[in-house]
Amino acid sequence: DVKVTQSSRYLVKRTGEKVFLECVQDMDHENMFWYRQDPGLGLRLIYFSYDVKMKEKGDIPEGYSVSREKKERFSLILESASTNQTSMYLCASRLTGKIEQFFGPGTRLTVL
Amino acid sequence: RKEVEQDPGPFNVPEGATVAFNCTYSNSASQSFFWYRQDCRKEPKLLMSVYSSGNEDGRFTAQLNRASQYISLLIRDSKLSDSATYLCVVNKGTSYDKVIFGPGTSLSVIP
Repeated sequence: DVKVTQSSRYLVKRTGEKVFLECVQDMDHENMFWYRQDPGLGLRLIYFSYDVKMKEKGDIPEGYSVSREKKERFSLILESASTNQTSMYLCASRLTGKIEQFFGPGTRLTVL
Repeated sequence: RKEVEQDPGPFNVPEGATVAFNCTYSNSASQSFFWYRQDCRKEPKLLMSVYSSGNEDGRFTAQLNRASQYISLLIRDSKLSDSATYLCVVNKGTSYDKVIFGPGTSLSVIP
């Protein structure tokens, strides 16, 4: 079974803090994704990575950066957290050429 | 106009009912279509792909209408366990790698 894990289920941070969200997958997938999910807006792609050290902006990259130093790990960084970044963050991975994305359980981030 | 639109619901239906959801998409170049299911407080999981000729998986039928740019999901003989949010997913233009998730349609199957 594919397993995608995220470092925290719930996180509370203060405005201006630097926040790291970690995602690890154990199936040797090349592609990894970070989404945020907000009511009424669905999942929106923040960044994705085709392979190690490769990254591409998604639809809403502003205020975020990512790091992919190892194939199994994809990190999302909020350089200076703001209240409008309060959201559910979902990581996903996928094998190149395959359709299905496998999601982690999500991290609910609250920025006060 | 949003790239992928769905009726948010909620749809409240009795067990055994048949229910259908529609989803419209704006990019006529889109080639790949899917339905994901997301249980409450859980991650999304692929339910089924949608093929041009329509496809069926047990009680679930997915159909594509390219001319009108919508896809549909039909659930027959609804079970309590079908209660979830159903996400319509469409690839972005001709790119196979990027997909757009709809906001989801909430279904509650009532005993």
